[in-house]
Amino acid sequence: KQEVTQIPAALSVPEGENLVLNCSFTDSAIYNLQWFRQDPGKGLTSLLLIQSSQREQTSGRLNASLDKSSGRSTLYIAASQPGDSATYLCAVRPYSGAGSYQLTFGKGTKLSVIP
Amino acid sequence: NAGVTQTPKFQVLKTGQSMTLQCAQDMNHNSMYWYRQDPGMGLRLIYYSASEGTTDKGEVPNGYNVSRLNKREFSLRLESAAPSQTSVYFCASSGDLYEQYFGPGTRLTVT
Repeated sequence: KQEVTQIPAALSVPEGENLVLNCSFTDSAIYNLQWFRQDPGKGLTSLLLIQSSQREQTSGRLNASLDKSSGRSTLYIAASQPGDSATYLCAVRPYSGAGSYQLTFGKGTKLSVIP
Repeated sequence: NAGVTQTPKFQVLKTGQSMTLQCAQDMNHNSMYWYRQDPGMGLRLIYYSASEGTTDKGEVPNGYNVSRLNKREFSLRLESAAPSQTSVYFCASSGDLYEQYFGPGTRLTVT
């Protein structure tokens, strides 16, 4: 059974710092990996989607990488701002089979950017 | 462009009452999903619909039913609510690339 782990569970950084959030998964047979942001009391906002054939994706100050063979993904946030404070979740979609529509989510990293 | 919308935003039920959560998407996506999010448990899939006319169980389907009314709408029904169903419910949809887009959620309390 796929397991997704995000460490650390919480992270506090001063404004302007570059930071990396980690996501690891146990089964490398994935179709894609998606990073989300969730603000308190809100739904999930999709940040980046990386297909299994890709190594990285970029959107503005965000860069996500994928190393499928080692079961790892990182989300790099450049020049962090207080508005980046949120919980960040990663989720993997299996490659095929009866459960291929089921995303497996990590429990998230709660990021606080201190002004 | 509204994306994924859900109604209601909040609901309080007594044990044994029934209700239907509504979800609609305007992105012409084939697939739609219902999740629940609980502290310490993360997000868990209840049911999904890979395409119009099909529905399948996810990880935690017991106590729920779903209807894919048309391509846009996917509803979740609680026939006899239980306190264990107190949760935040999210609807999501995805297209050909399987990137999932989420609605704002329904916060349900069962007393």
